[in-house]
Amino acid sequence: GAGVSQSPRYKVAKRGQDVALRCDPISGHVSLFWYQQALGQGPEFLTYFQNEAQLDKSGLPSDRFFAERPEGSVSTLKIQRTQQEDSAVYLCASSADVQETQYFGPGTRLLVL
Amino acid sequence: AQSVTQLDSQVPVFEEAPVELRCNYSSSVSVYLFWYVQYPNQGLQLLLKYLSGSTLVESINGFEAEFNKSQTSFHLRKPSVHISDTAEYFCAVAGSTDKLIFGTGTRLQVFP
Repeated sequence: GAGVSQSPRYKVAKRGQDVALRCDPISGHVSLFWYQQALGQGPEFLTYFQNEAQLDKSGLPSDRFFAERPEGSVSTLKIQRTQQEDSAVYLCASSADVQETQYFGPGTRLLVL
Repeated sequence: AQSVTQLDSQVPVFEEAPVELRCNYSSSVSVYLFWYVQYPNQGLQLLLKYLSGSTLVESINGFEAEFNKSQTSFHLRKPSVHISDTAEYFCAVAGSTDKLIFGTGTRLQVFP
C-alpha cells in the first residue's frame, strides 16, 4: 500500500514569503506528527494530531508556524514570513493508533533565501 | 524531560567487521526505545524497537539492540556489516506521549 507522501519535495522561498507544506498520511492512520530536521541534526518534534485534534504543539518554534488537519486525514504545515533559520527538512509521520509505529514520509526540503 | 545522546557522529568500518552504534538516554519515566535508519536520499525507516518484554530486540537484516535500564543505554550492534548498511542511524525515545525524541544521528560508513 501507499506510504506517507509529502509535497512539495523541495521548496525554495524568499525571506518573508509564506509557505504551505502538505502531508498525506497512510490511509486510516489516526495519529500524525510533524518534525523538523536541520542539517546534520536529528529530527525535532513540532506538533501532533490525533484525528483532527491537535493534541500537542509544544515544538512549534514560533507563532509563525501553524498546522492543521481539518478532516483528520491530510495535514498542512504553514510557515508565515519565512526566515533563513526555517531552512530544514520537514518530516511528516503517521501511525495507526496511539503508541504504534510511526511511518515517515520522504520530507520536504525547505530553503529560505 | 527526555533526551538521547549518540556520542559517535561517524563510525567508519570495513565490510564484514562488527559494529556497535552507541545510544544513551535520560528519562524520569518508563520509555520506549527505537532505532531508525535513513539511507541516502530516502526517508526514515524503523529498524527496531523496544516496548517491553525481552531486552534484546532484533531486526530482519541482522541488527540487534539491547535495552539496559541500569546503564540507560540502547546500543545497536551487528556482527558483520555490508556495504549496503551505509546510512545514517538515529536512536529515539518516547515516553508517555507518542512524540519521538531523536539523537543527533550516527553516520555508518562501510568500506570494502
